[in-house]
Amino acid sequence: EVQLVQSGAEVKKPGESLTISCKASGYSFTNYWIGWVRQMPGKGLEWMGIIYPGDSETRYSPSFQGQVTISVDKSTNTAHLHWSSLKASDTATYYCARRRVPADQLDCWGQGTLVTVSS
Amino acid sequence: SHVLTQSPSVSVAPGQTARIPCGEDNIGRKSVHWYQQKPGQAPVLVVYDDADRPSGIPERFSGSNSGNTATLTISTVEAGDEADYYCQVWDTIGHHPVFGGGTKLTVL
Repeated sequence: EVQLVQSGAEVKKPGESLTISCKASGYSFTNYWIGWVRQMPGKGLEWMGIIYPGDSETRYSPSFQGQVTISVDKSTNTAHLHWSSLKASDTATYYCARRRVPADQLDCWGQGTLVTVSS
Repeated sequence: SHVLTQSPSVSVAPGQTARIPCGEDNIGRKSVHWYQQKPGQAPVLVVYDDADRPSGIPERFSGSNSGNTATLTISTVEAGDEADYYCQVWDTIGHHPVFGGGTKLTVL
């Protein structure tokens, strides 16, 4: 069974760093792009960026370029989303999702990680 | 760049048919995908490539795409179908997904 399992909820203060994770199982991790999507409270889905684990090619939404870092660890089949300095406006639920080609749908999603940033 | 337009809300009585549109110029030339998101849950793919269903998705969910509008159709609506529904296409230039703003389906 294809699964993406994300790390648990986090509560952080502004200025702190954070890495959340997305562990893949049930398929060949290096052969599928994985993207990250933000959902702020009560709002819609926003694409943040996407990475190809096979060669770590990464593309960011202009809105998130320089604000976050996406990476993978092929040894553990895990994708990561990292902030070096959180802001209160980063409070949201973050989802990872697998991209299928050629139609480019996101066919499997993680359960989401709620990140709360508050002083 | 793409801008996918969705109505904020659609209401339908149980047993009736819900139609949820997603608009963009010439969207009929693209592959459109649909996601269902229930409160507190992750999105779930319900229709991909305009009209195909992933395994496990009921036949009540169907899609169509032509001209400037793609449509998700849910027949014989049930209370459990109440959710937010998002359409999505792929931006081949920017290499990223583009989501519509979402439609909240209310079952009366």
